[in-house]
Amino acid sequence: DQQVKQNSPSLSVQEGRISILNCDYTNSMFDYFLWYKKYPAEGPTFLISISSIKDKNEDGRFTVFLNKSAKHLSLHIVPSQPGDSAVYFCAASYSGGGADGLTFGKGTHLIIQP
Amino acid sequence: DAGVTQSPTHLIKTRGQQVTLRCSPISGHKSVSWYQQVLGQGPQFIFQYYEKEERGRGNFPDRFSARQFPNYSSELNVNALLLGDSALYLCASSLPPLLASGNTIYFGEGSWLTVV
Repeated sequence: DQQVKQNSPSLSVQEGRISILNCDYTNSMFDYFLWYKKYPAEGPTFLISISSIKDKNEDGRFTVFLNKSAKHLSLHIVPSQPGDSAVYFCAASYSGGGADGLTFGKGTHLIIQP
Repeated sequence: DAGVTQSPTHLIKTRGQQVTLRCSPISGHKSVSWYQQVLGQGPQFIFQYYEKEERGRGNFPDRFSARQFPNYSSELNVNALLLGDSALYLCASSLPPLLASGNTIYFGEGSWLTVV
């Protein structure tokens, strides 16, 4: 029973364009969401997070949108750069259940084409 | 400041053996979590420790155990290794254990375990 789903295993985007990575969740208790980026042979690197009291959070080229009614969030990267090529993981948690750790999706492999 | 450090980075063990993985959190962080990532999957939560006490446990068998020391470093132990335990084991640290707006979890580079 996957509570966090990233339905696109891979995504190819041209350099300079917008990359949109999607994530769906099923557990309505989740109230905090994070995106991590992972290069091969490295640990995940934190990118951006959003609390359920917000519907948008922006940090430089990265913006995360949260649609609670649809239980959907997305990560927008504008403009996409070659260094953005990596696996992106969506993760969720609920502040009242922090002891359960983060629940991750399976990841989306983003490939930025020159 | 040093990030989350893990050791060893790579190791090979035989089925039935035992393994100990080590983690030092970011300075000032008191919470350490362990995750297992198998190929093609996202990381899966194993344990969370805060102030040297187990605060949470994921769906893993009793062969998996951990502890946190007074300096907040941590060890993950896996007994009676199975082939399916081959994975990247990630340690993460955070200030308090509960996630809230403005707080996050930082990961180390992981320990690659291969069981043969």
